[in-house]
Amino acid sequence: EAQVTQNPRYLITVTGKKLTVTCSQNMNHEYMSWYRQDPGLGLRQIYYSMNVEVTDKGDVPEGYKVSRKEKRNFPLILESPSPNQTSLYFCASSLSTGETSYEQYFGPGTRLTVT
Amino acid sequence: SQELEQSPQSLIVQEGKNLTINCTSSKTLYGLYWYKQKYGEGLIFLMMLQKGGEEKSHEKITAKLDEKKQQSSLHITASQPSHAGIYLCGADLFPGGKLIFGQGTELSVKP
Repeated sequence: EAQVTQNPRYLITVTGKKLTVTCSQNMNHEYMSWYRQDPGLGLRQIYYSMNVEVTDKGDVPEGYKVSRKEKRNFPLILESPSPNQTSLYFCASSLSTGETSYEQYFGPGTRLTVT
Repeated sequence: SQELEQSPQSLIVQEGKNLTINCTSSKTLYGLYWYKQKYGEGLIFLMMLQKGGEEKSHEKITAKLDEKKQQSSLHITASQPSHAGIYLCGADLFPGGKLIFGQGTELSVKP
């Protein structure tokens, strides 16, 4: 089954404790991205990647890191989480290239709480 | 301010009524996406529009992209309780680049 998986689905952590949220897709997609969703602010893109070893900042990259060492995986790293990073996070992937746009497939979401 | 403005922000309709949600940008959009989301859950893809003037339909939902590719509308005919949720429009300004989303429209359908 074609899908985007995220782990963990729920996470409660404390300020400053490094964490990684994994994202994997099995559709051989070029494009992957991370979003956070907050009430009243909608979905905001954190980082995106057009291909392996190519990443770019979205609208809200501060406090986050990403890496794209393999085509199928795009982990989101919070080196020193803070309470303002409490949010619902989504990973997405797409066939989109530099020439054509395609549907974005979203993962199920990761609800992160930083105390 | 939002690069992609959705209106209205919330909507309550009686079952069976038609409704329209709008998504507007000051910039020309390359691809325009519509998603539906149940609160706190994942996003369900509805439609994608790319060409100016394009219109797509799926069951009772129709989406259009204007000729200038700066505005899209989502129209639901004869609404049902199953249509309730948050509708999100998203767009890319160039293919394979940054994606932006509107703030969402929360739809409630009263039986």
